[in-house]
Amino acid sequence: EAGVAQSPRYKIIEKRQSVAFWCNPISGHATLYWYQQILGQGPKLLIQFQNNGVVDDSQLPKDRFSAERLKGVDSTLKIQPAKLEDSAVYLCASSLDPGVVADTQYFGPGTRLTVL
Amino acid sequence: QKEVEQNSGPLSVPEGAIASLNCTYSDRVSQSFFWYRQYSGKSPELIMSIYSNGDKEDGRFTAQLNKASQYVSLLIRDSQPSDSATYLCAVVVPGAGSYQLTFGKGTKLSVIP
Repeated sequence: EAGVAQSPRYKIIEKRQSVAFWCNPISGHATLYWYQQILGQGPKLLIQFQNNGVVDDSQLPKDRFSAERLKGVDSTLKIQPAKLEDSAVYLCASSLDPGVVADTQYFGPGTRLTVL
Repeated sequence: QKEVEQNSGPLSVPEGAIASLNCTYSDRVSQSFFWYRQYSGKSPELIMSIYSNGDKEDGRFTAQLNKASQYVSLLIRDSQPSDSATYLCAVVVPGAGSYQLTFGKGTKLSVIP
């Protein structure tokens, strides 16, 4: 079974530039998550999709971050304009059944963003 | 504010010893508890989950849960250098119509050969 795919793996940009990350979840997984992991911290949930609808985006800085999941499969997270404090690893995860409280989340390899 | 607290470490143990990792959480409605291992530069991978009070064993790993004390721990027996990683405690709480993982900052474990 193929895992969660993400691209690019690394990205370096100047502040105020824009950047986009792509995620393809495990086939058949209804729920997709985007996390931000700053160095030395645990992952922080940015947004959760169930199929192609947003379940929770309460921690997404909506003035600069946006995300979409068209057709309920792959997803794109965008930052525009980027700030220095956005330097982090952006992790995508997916899970099979959104109604199961103990459902396992599987993480992709992440995209390491450096904002200069 | 849902919080998950872990000692950041580093925790150093000699090879073959038992490593004990601890985690406390603030939200009493938390329902499921997970331990993820994260090697440097890699993504988190699930190693244990526990849902009810008591112990759960899987090979060299034992998870312990005490909901009354809001405490969950992970024991690693016969620690190996390959166990050196950051261990993330994660707690599931009901969110906005869904169940969300809240992670602690992680405890860095170093197993000394």
